[in-house]
Amino acid sequence: EAGVAQSPRYKIIEKRQSVAFWCNPISGHATLYWYQQILGQGPKLLIQFQNNGVVDDSQLPKDRFSAERLKGVDSTLKIQPAKLEDSAVYLCASSHGSEQYFGPGTRLTVT
Amino acid sequence: EDQVTQSPEALRLQEGESSSLNCSYTVSGLRGLFWYRQDPGKGPEFLFTLYSAGEEKEKERLKATLTKKESFLHITAPKPEDSATYLCAVQADGSARQLTFGSGTQLTVLP
Repeated sequence: EAGVAQSPRYKIIEKRQSVAFWCNPISGHATLYWYQQILGQGPKLLIQFQNNGVVDDSQLPKDRFSAERLKGVDSTLKIQPAKLEDSAVYLCASSHGSEQYFGPGTRLTVT
Repeated sequence: EDQVTQSPEALRLQEGESSSLNCSYTVSGLRGLFWYRQDPGKGPEFLFTLYSAGEEKEKERLKATLTKKESFLHITAPKPEDSATYLCAVQADGSARQLTFGSGTQLTVLP
């Protein structure tokens, strides 16, 4: 069974630029999550989708972050404009039941 | 607010030297407690889910246990390939299955 796919794996941008991350969940998983993981910390949930609807985006900085999940499969997370403090690993996870399965993440560096 | 505290932050062991990692949690009602392993540059890898106090689960050299306030990950006769960051997370009753993570314990097993 293929795992969660994410791209790109690495991205370096300057502050105030925009960036987008892509995620393809495990086939058949209706629930998709985006997490932010700052170095030395555990992942922090940004947004949760059930099929193509948003379940929870309470911790998403909506002035600069946006996410969508068209057709209930792939998802994109966008940051515009980026700040220095957005430097982190962005993890996508999917689930069918309680256990969440994570992708390899995208390491974002904002200079 | 759900909280997860892991200790120690870092642990160095000699190969074969058994030890335990601690995860203390505060949650209004526990649906499940999860252990993940994270290698550098990779996403978290699911290890165990525990649902009720007294429950234990084992996988190779790892055994996870759960009480009403904390969970332990016991590592018996570790090998260098067990070196990783171990993350603990809780899922609360009534939540949409979001995970709240601790900051992890970075384990290094020396040959």
